Amino acid sequence: EAGVAQSPRYKIIEKRQSVAFWCNPISGHATLYWYQQILGQGPELLIRYENEEAVDDSQLPKDRFSAERLKGVDSTLKIQPAELGDSAVYLCASSSRGTQSYEQYFGPGTRLTVT
Amino acid sequence: SQQGEEDPQALSIQEGENATMNCSYKTSINNLQWYRQNSGRGLVHLILIRSNEREKHSGRLRVTLDTSKKSSSLLITASRAADTASYFCATGGMYSGGGADGLTFGKGTHLIIQP
Repeated sequence: EAGVAQSPRYKIIEKRQSVAFWCNPISGHATLYWYQQILGQGPELLIRYENEEAVDDSQLPKDRFSAERLKGVDSTLKIQPAELGDSAVYLCASSSRGTQSYEQYFGPGTRLTVT
Repeated sequence: SQQGEEDPQALSIQEGENATMNCSYKTSINNLQWYRQNSGRGLVHLILIRSNEREKHSGRLRVTLDTSKKSSSLLITASRAADTASYFCATGGMYSGGGADGLTFGKGTHLIIQP
């Protein structure tokens, strides 16, 4: 089965510019997550979707970050405007509902550098 | 915020030796997972141990859990060069709203296997 797809893999922007990341989860996975991983740290959850509904966005900095998952499949995470501290790897993950397997499947990530 | 800490932060051993890394967490858990992250395969689930389990094996991996001490350990036996990676423990993932909550990761242990 195909894994979680993310694009782009790398992005370099200047501060105050905007950027968007795309994620396509594993087919049939209703739950989708976005994580931010700063160098030397573990991933931190930004937002979780169940189908098209954002059920946990408590850690998303809503003044500059936004996300959408309009048809309950692929998702976009946007930063506008970017700050130097946003330099990180943005990871998308998905999991299957109903099986209670708890395992999350991660994409390769997008490495963002803000200069 | 990070749930806990892995210890040590970095570990370098010779190929064939065993590697042990520890994880402490702060809150009550339903389960604890270990993930591996390397540049080639990204972040990959290794093993899950439930709160009512004390030990679990998977191939060359052995995980223990002590809920009274809020700690877990991951043992990799007969290490190989391919085991070089960062290892993270993660808690959370409890079911709510039909799917699994996001995970809370530690800062990770960077393991280097020297040939």
